[in-house]
Parts: sequence; structure tokens; C-alpha cells
Amino acid sequence: QKEVEQNSGPLSVPEGAIASLNCTYSDRGSQSFFWYRQYSGKSPELIMSIYSNGDKEDGRFTAQLNKASQYVSLLIRDSQPSDSATYLCAGSGSGYQKVTFGTGTKLQVIP
Amino acid sequence: GAVVSQHPSRVICKSGTSVKIECRSLDFQATTMFWYRQFPKKSLMLMATSNEGSKATYEQGVEKDKFLINHASLTLSTLTVTSAHPEDSSFYICSARPSGQETQYFGPGTRLLVL
Repeated sequence: QKEVEQNSGPLSVPEGAIASLNCTYSDRGSQSFFWYRQYSGKSPELIMSIYSNGDKEDGRFTAQLNKASQYVSLLIRDSQPSDSATYLCAGSGSGYQKVTFGTGTKLQVIP
Repeated sequence: GAVVSQHPSRVICKSGTSVKIECRSLDFQATTMFWYRQFPKKSLMLMATSNEGSKATYEQGVEKDKFLINHASLTLSTLTVTSAHPEDSSFYICSARPSGQETQYFGPGTRLLVL
């Protein structure tokens, strides 16, 4: 069974710090990876997608992918209280297969 | 871009009635849409994959006769919860995948309460 694993948290970081969210996946055939943010009571919103090994930066967010280690991470620099949410990692195989979601990591940014 | 809408956002119904939820991709065409359910403080659960012009693919344990899915156009998929019961009360979320892309964009969700 294809799985995406995340630590459920909560991960607590002080305001202004770097939050590091981690995700591992079991399917070596997975090609595409996504990070979504979900506020309580709301639906997920896409933060970033990453397809190649290495880092991808977008503003305060950096996604990192290591296919050899089957590991995806999301770094949030200068964390703000408004970043407090559950972060979902997701992966999909090639050929537009369905996306498998992790259970999410709850992030709390303490003012 | 990549906006997905859902209607209604919230619905309360009596046990035994049917409820239809619409999912629309507003600024792109979506060959594939997905329907999820999420219980409070739980993770997303994929219910079914909806493909335009063909039958939906249901996940194991999801009753296709209870959760009817229709994807009649490239911008609209509907989920009908038939003969709803209180245990069907949940947050139903759709997502749409633009044709030729792998990214999914989520709708705002529909909160269903069955009395």
C-alpha cells in the first residue's frame, strides 16, 4: 500500500523561527509531491509542488525533495502566528495517478 | 487562477433525504475531480475519483449506490448522498485537477449535518 507518513505534532515554534515539517513516502515510483495548508474548519490550500530532487523556494517557504531517501520537507522561515495550521504532504505516481495524502502535521507558532 | 467552488457550503437535512453537492472548476477544465470526506480532527479520506464522461472510481469501503457521483462536463461534478443518515454528517471536500497537470485544487468544502 502506498503511504505518506507525517508526524502528527503538534510542532510548536516561536514566532520568527524556522519551522521544519517532514514527510516520508513508501512508493519509490512517486514523482510529484505537494504541500497543502489546512486551517481548522477549512479546506486544504496548495502551498507548493515539487517534482525534482533538491530545493524549491517560494517566498518564506522552501520545499526539499530527496528521492533516494524518499523524503520531502517544508521549511517555513520567519514563522508567523498566521502560519499555525495543519500541513498536509501528498505524493503521486507517474501518469496522473491519484494523490496520496499524509495525515498532516499540526504547526503552532507561538507569539 | 485555479479556483474551485462548491455549493452549498453548509446543509442541514433530515434523515432519509438526499443531498446533492456541486463542485465546479471556475477558470479551468478538469478531466478529473476527487471527492473527499473529513471528520473532525481526522485526516482527509478519499471517497472517489470522478472522471468526465465515465463512471467514478470508488475507494474501498465507499458505497457507490449511496454516494452517487456524476461528472457530466469538464467543469462540474456532483456528489449526491442518498438516504442520508446522521453518520453521514461530515465535511465533504472536492478537488479538481486541471487537464494535463498533476496538481489538485480544493473547493471550500460542504458541511453536511443530518438530523
